[in-house]
Amino acid sequence: ETGVTQTPRHLVMGMTNKKSLKCEQHLGHNAMYWYKQSAKKPLELMFVYSLEERVENNSVPSRFSPECPNSSHLFLHLHTLQPEDSALYLCASSQGAGGGETQYFGPGTRLLVL
Amino acid sequence: SQQGEEDPQALSIQEGENATMNCSYKTSINNLQWYRQNSGRGLVHLILIRSNEREKHSGRLRVTLDTSKKSSSLLITASRAADTASYFCVPQRGAGSYQLTFGKGTKLSVIP
Repeated sequence: ETGVTQTPRHLVMGMTNKKSLKCEQHLGHNAMYWYKQSAKKPLELMFVYSLEERVENNSVPSRFSPECPNSSHLFLHLHTLQPEDSALYLCASSQGAGGGETQYFGPGTRLLVL
Repeated sequence: SQQGEEDPQALSIQEGENATMNCSYKTSINNLQWYRQNSGRGLVHLILIRSNEREKHSGRLRVTLDTSKKSSSLLITASRAADTASYFCVPQRGAGSYQLTFGKGTKLSVIP
C-alpha cells in the first residue's frame, strides 16, 4: 500500500455519461497529480495541484475537469468522453510540488469508454 | 522535464539470477528515481539517488549513478517471480520540475 487510494478501480461509461474519479492520499502530502497511461504509450501528466491550487494543466481537453477540495482529495470529473480516452488514470501525491519530489501512486482507475 | 531511456527494452531471466537494467539521460539532474509497475501493485517508487551520490542500496536493489556519462543502472539481485514488472528511470532536474516523465521502461520477466 502506498497510502494513495483510488476509486473506482474499473469504470465503463458511454460517451454521453458523466462520471467522477476519486483519489485520496493519507500521507499528509501537499501536492497531487493526475496522470493518463494509454496502451503502449508512456505516462502523461494531466494536472498538478499544490496546496489545492492547480499549478499545471498539460493541454488537457475540457471534457476532463479536475477538482481539489482539500490537500487530501482529488477528483477528475469526466463528461462526453471519446473512446480514445480509454486508459489507466493514475493519481499521485508528493510532499511538495517544488520539484524533484518522490511521487507516490495509487493503483489507478481503468476506464473504458464505449 | 526530461525522459530517461531504459535499456534493454525487455529482459528475461531465471529466478535466482541477477537482473541489470540501464538508463541514459541527456541533461544535468538533481536526482534520478527508479519506479516499478506491475499489474498487481501499480506504479511504485523504488529508490532515489541524488546527483552527488554514486551508489545506493535498498534491500536487493543496487542503483549506481554516473553523472559524467549521464547514466544509471539498477541491479536486482537474487530475482524472484514477483519482480516481474516494467522498470522506469526518471531523471529529475530539481526545483520547478515536478513533472515525472516516464519512458518506455524495461520489461523484466523472471521465470520460476
